[in-house]
Amino acid sequence: GEDVEQSLFLSVREGDSSVINCTYTDSSSTYLYWYKQEPGAGLQLLTYIFSNMDMKQDQRLTVLLNKKDKHLSLRIADTQTGDSAIYFCAESKDNYGQNFVFGPGTRLSVLP
Amino acid sequence: GAVVSQHPSRVICKSGTSVKIECRSLDFQATTMFWYRQFPKKSLMLMATSNEGSKATYEQGVEKDKFLINHASLTLSTLTVTSAHPEDSSFYICSATSDEAYEQYFGPGTRLTVT
Repeated sequence: GEDVEQSLFLSVREGDSSVINCTYTDSSSTYLYWYKQEPGAGLQLLTYIFSNMDMKQDQRLTVLLNKKDKHLSLRIADTQTGDSAIYFCAESKDNYGQNFVFGPGTRLSVLP
Repeated sequence: GAVVSQHPSRVICKSGTSVKIECRSLDFQATTMFWYRQFPKKSLMLMATSNEGSKATYEQGVEKDKFLINHASLTLSTLTVTSAHPEDSSFYICSATSDEAYEQYFGPGTRLTVT
């Protein structure tokens, strides 16, 4: 079956890099996403990567995909207090971004 | 990007009553809308998928008579929690997509508390 796993908590100091990891089981996943959820809010799409890519960089965000190990990571450079949130990894098999399977979310705490 | 709104953002209701949550796509036509429920440490669980003008498809384990979903127009879907119980208290999030979009656009969520 489909399963997406993440560690539940991560603490980093302001200015350091954060690396949030995700593993998934479905090798037919087409798209892999990272969403950010701030307290009491909905989900904000941060970035996504196609399964035929192994890296994508967008400003402070770097996504690495190891398709062989089914491992996805999100690196946030120069982490700020405003980055404190829950980060969800999600996978989708179809080309329309539907049929999502979400991980449990990683709560990132940024310490001053 | 596309905007999806939900109303209300917070609602408190008494046990046994029904409550309706609206999900609107503000600047695009949403051919498909999704309803999720967020459980602590269990992430978002898809409850149902609704296509405009047709009956919603519910995920296994979701009671369709308890969680009524209507998608009467291309910009509005509603979720009605009927005969609410305290265990229905949760954060409900909708998302919408269109035939042209490849991603889902999420609403801000509705916090339901059943007393």
